[in-house]
Parts: sequence; structure tokens; C-alpha cells
Amino acid sequence: NAGVMQNPRHLVRRRGQEARLRCSPMKGHSHVYWYRQLPEEGLKFMVYLQKENIIDESGMPKERFSAEFPKEGPSILRIQQVVRGDSAAYFCASSQGRYTGELFFGEGSRLTVL
Amino acid sequence: DAKTTQPNSMESNEEEPVHLPCNHSTISGTDYIHWYRQLPSQGPEYVIHGLTSNVNNRMASLAIAEDRKSSTLILHRATLRDAAVYYCILRDEIGGTSYGKLTFGQGTILTVHP
Repeated sequence: NAGVMQNPRHLVRRRGQEARLRCSPMKGHSHVYWYRQLPEEGLKFMVYLQKENIIDESGMPKERFSAEFPKEGPSILRIQQVVRGDSAAYFCASSQGRYTGELFFGEGSRLTVL
Repeated sequence: DAKTTQPNSMESNEEEPVHLPCNHSTISGTDYIHWYRQLPSQGPEYVIHGLTSNVNNRMASLAIAEDRKSSTLILHRATLRDAAVYYCILRDEIGGTSYGKLTFGQGTILTVHP
């Protein structure tokens, strides 16, 4: 049973470009979470999605960041007009239940903005 | 989620037991105690969780104080692969308010010496 798959694992962008990070949850999981880990810092919650719905985006920056989890296909975290401060590791997690059960994390996508 | 306090770092020798403490004096009655760990350059990995009683699984044991204001993660025989950052996290699973929105602190950096 494949785990949470994230791609790309490493992404390099120049300032002003767009970054798209993809996450396929574990089979049977319909709850997806995105977390960000800035260099030398802890993980911070960004957004929680269920299929076709954003449930909680309280951790998302107000501008340039968006997330979706369509009926078909992976969840996408999109960062428009990237800046150097966006350089971080972005982790996706999925769970089977909404309130219980462990979260399964992917190996992360590491974004570097030049 | 209520706040937890962990030592910044701990060291152990290979094949010796390791006791990782966590204080959570403001824990509420509906908070479960979760432990995750993050190996270098990887996403967090679930270790164990419990509510009141001590818990055991193939990875570790969780000892919970009677007043639930503290807990200890026990690795019975540390290996080099156990070197990671260990996070103690409270999650309100009964009240249903925190779903997968985990609050990661700084965690404890565990170093295992050969």
C-alpha cells in the first residue's frame, strides 16, 4: 500500500515564478493537510482539505498561496510569484478520519527560490 | 491545542533505553497525547498515542502520569535509526476541535551514539 506521495521532491524557482506542489494521499484517505517547515523551524499547519472542499485555511498566507483537492487527482498547493521567503519544505499528510487516527506524512517537497 | 514542553535535546547510546519526557500541565480531559518523530530530511512519522492508560506498540511505549500533566515516550532499545526530532502533541479527538491541525513545537532532538 503506497504511502503519501509528493512531487516534485525538489523544486527550484526564480523570484516571481509559480510553484506547484502535488500530493497524492494514501489509498482510502479523503482528508489532506499541508504543512510548511521553514529552515531551522518547526512544522506549521497551512490548510486542511477534503475532496473538493477547503475545510480550514487558517494557516495559509493571505496572498499568493492557494490549495485545492479536486474530485479526481492529487491535491495541489500553488504558490504564485514566489519570493525567497517561500523557500521551505512543504509536507502533505493524509488521514482516514477527520478527528481521529494518525496522520501519514509524505517525504516533502523542498522549494528553493533563487 | 494545549501547549507541551520538551527538553531541547537528549543523548543515548545504542541498544540502551531512552525516556523522552513531555510536560503538558494544561491538558484538557478530551486531549489525546500523540508522539511523532521526524528523521533527517523526511516527513514526520507517527509513533504512538494515548489518553489515560499506558500504551505499547512495536515502536515504543507511552507512559502517562496519573494526573495526565506529563508523559514519557520510551524507546526500549535505541538504534541509530531512532536519531530524530521527537514531537509531543496534544490533540482534541473527543471534542472534535483539532482534527489534523497538529501544533508542532520544537521537539526533542535525540542523538544516538554507536
